[in-house]
Amino acid sequence: SQTIHQWPATLVQPVGSPLSLECTVEGTSNPNLYWYRQAAGRGLQLLFYSVGIGQISSEVPQNLSASRPQDRQFILSSKKLLLSDSGFYLCAWSPGSNYEQYFGPGTRLTVT
Amino acid sequence: GNSVTQMEGPVTLSEEAFLTINCTYTATGYPSLFWYVQYPGEGLQLLLKATKADDKGSNKGFEATYRKETTSFHLEKGSVQVSDSAVYFCALSRIQGAQKLVFGQGTRLTINP
Repeated sequence: SQTIHQWPATLVQPVGSPLSLECTVEGTSNPNLYWYRQAAGRGLQLLFYSVGIGQISSEVPQNLSASRPQDRQFILSSKKLLLSDSGFYLCAWSPGSNYEQYFGPGTRLTVT
Repeated sequence: GNSVTQMEGPVTLSEEAFLTINCTYTATGYPSLFWYVQYPGEGLQLLLKATKADDKGSNKGFEATYRKETTSFHLEKGSVQVSDSAVYFCALSRIQGAQKLVFGQGTRLTINP
């Protein structure tokens, strides 16, 4: 069966510090991968998605970036965090087009 | 464009009450439709899905029917429990262009004992 992992689970970072969140998927190959952000009490905002190694599409211009160095690894990064980057970050995978997505447990990021 | 509109929350019910959370969509073509549930502090879990018109998705006592004529996918449960308290998201899959889901804004459900 497939599983998706995210770490860390929680993170408190000062403004201006770098960020690296990692997501890995097990039990499948060549998944589509997604990063979402969920602000407190709000809906989901799609940040990035990837259909293959090195292929990243950005949905919203911002100071975040994403990379996919391996087939089942998806990384969300920032060089300098802003207060507005606080939120709940969710990684998801999908077996392909028009399929459901499966979400990881999330990372709670607080920028202070 | 593609969009999903959910009934606004929060919704508060008593245990064993009947639940309906409305979801309507706008889409080109024939998307698949989904309901996700998010418990406090957790990621989203797929609750049920329907891939074509008149399909009924069901899971854990929840049901939703894909109604093409009314472009709706309302979530129902006959008798809710305290453990059903969560945020519920309706979503559709885009069938053109990028391979993404379009989510509604979510409906917070609280069940009181």
